[in-house]
Amino acid sequence: AQTVTQSQPEMSVQEAETVTLSCTYDTSESDYYLFWYKQPPSRQMILVIRQEAYKQQNATENRFSVNFQKAAKSFSLKISDSQLGDAAMYFCAYRSPIFGNEKLTFGTGTRLTIIP
Amino acid sequence: GAVVSQHPSWVICKSGTSVKIECRSLDFQATTMFWYRQFPKQSLMLMATSNEGSKATYEQGVEKDKFLINHASLTLSTLTVTSAHPEDSSFYICSASPPPTSSGANVLTFGAGSRLTVL
Repeated sequence: AQTVTQSQPEMSVQEAETVTLSCTYDTSESDYYLFWYKQPPSRQMILVIRQEAYKQQNATENRFSVNFQKAAKSFSLKISDSQLGDAAMYFCAYRSPIFGNEKLTFGTGTRLTIIP
Repeated sequence: GAVVSQHPSWVICKSGTSVKIECRSLDFQATTMFWYRQFPKQSLMLMATSNEGSKATYEQGVEKDKFLINHASLTLSTLTVTSAHPEDSSFYICSASPPPTSSGANVLTFGAGSRLTVL
């Protein structure tokens, strides 16, 4: 079974600064998907960024980027120019590539606080 | 983009009663939907995989008779918490993924969640 580990229960960053959230995972599959989801106080899960394991290039979405190290099974999220609206719980998640088995395995989450 | 609607967003019920939560994919057909449970300040734990036209697949430790799942159409899955007790109070979230051929494939979209409080 796959496992996802987030070792930082809480992080804080000054507004406009950069912060990196860590995530490691364990799997025996060679192909898979990795995601970062954001959960603000409304508790709506919002996709931040995704990475396909077969792609060597790190995914980027505006101020959000990942550092995907497949051999190390590491998938960190970097948030640049942090904004107040980035404050939320961030969950790293793993997904098998098999159609019909799109369930996500989540890490325990990192609560990100933005300091004005 | 893919939209998943979940209803109700908040429900309070008396102990011993049953509560039904609906999850709808609004602009795509979903042969598979997923139900998660989230306790306060914790992560999402998968409860079951809802399969259209067949029985749901439950994760280990989840009581099938307590959490009834029905996926009668390609756009609707329901979770019924039967004979609810205070320990069933939690936040329940459903999710679904568009088919592989669509633009939103491989990405799970989540409903807004349902907060259940059992008195």
